[in-house]
Amino acid sequence: QKEVEQNSGPLSVPEGAIASLNCTYSDRGSQSFFWYRQYSGKSPELIMSIYSNGDKEDGRFTAQLNKASQYVSLLIRDSQPSDSATYLCAVNRGRGYQKVTFGTGTKLQVIP
Amino acid sequence: DGGITQSPKYLFRKEGQNVTLSCEQNLNHDAMYWYRQDPGQGLRLIYYSQIVNDFQKGDIAEGYSVSREKKESFPLTVTSAQKNPTAFYLCATRQGGPNSPLHFGNGTRLTVT
Repeated sequence: QKEVEQNSGPLSVPEGAIASLNCTYSDRGSQSFFWYRQYSGKSPELIMSIYSNGDKEDGRFTAQLNKASQYVSLLIRDSQPSDSATYLCAVNRGRGYQKVTFGTGTKLQVIP
Repeated sequence: DGGITQSPKYLFRKEGQNVTLSCEQNLNHDAMYWYRQDPGQGLRLIYYSQIVNDFQKGDIAEGYSVSREKKESFPLTVTSAQKNPTAFYLCATRQGGPNSPLHFGNGTRLTVT
């Protein structure tokens, strides 16, 4: 089992729709979870971080965490063509939880 | 102007040569990380350092070496022992504990032929 798993996509949604991106992780002790957006040829940029079970909202983005199910998701409301990118899920793990492990990313395409 | 500087942006080397990638930061962040990204793949951890003069292997350290002699600098050497060195290399920093996010430089794209 991979430490952080994501569906590689591509996930295609029409403009204005809700995009739902999912991530599962294997280390039950992980406490910190991050979503990054990466445009082609660029470095990742942080969208959101989440640490507690439940939902966390920031503008059009909502992160959801369920530690019992080892599942974290990202919802993007009112999707825009500019949201088209690869979304990377990252999880802390390892001794002292200093390592940050990334999933392979989900490619999102927002169709105008 | 605070930030993380990776240089050069593009780097070309012949097979069998060692090459050093630069990462400098003026954010005063304690921790620094090196990742490798292959086309269509996620990021894989090579090495990380929490403090000066100390660093740990990540998940794919074989064929790589690092040093952390100064807080601001964390250079990565890709040695000739690395079987598939062609990749996009990303340096990141983090301030604070495990709850803090990583901040990334713009990356160096290394091509070895």
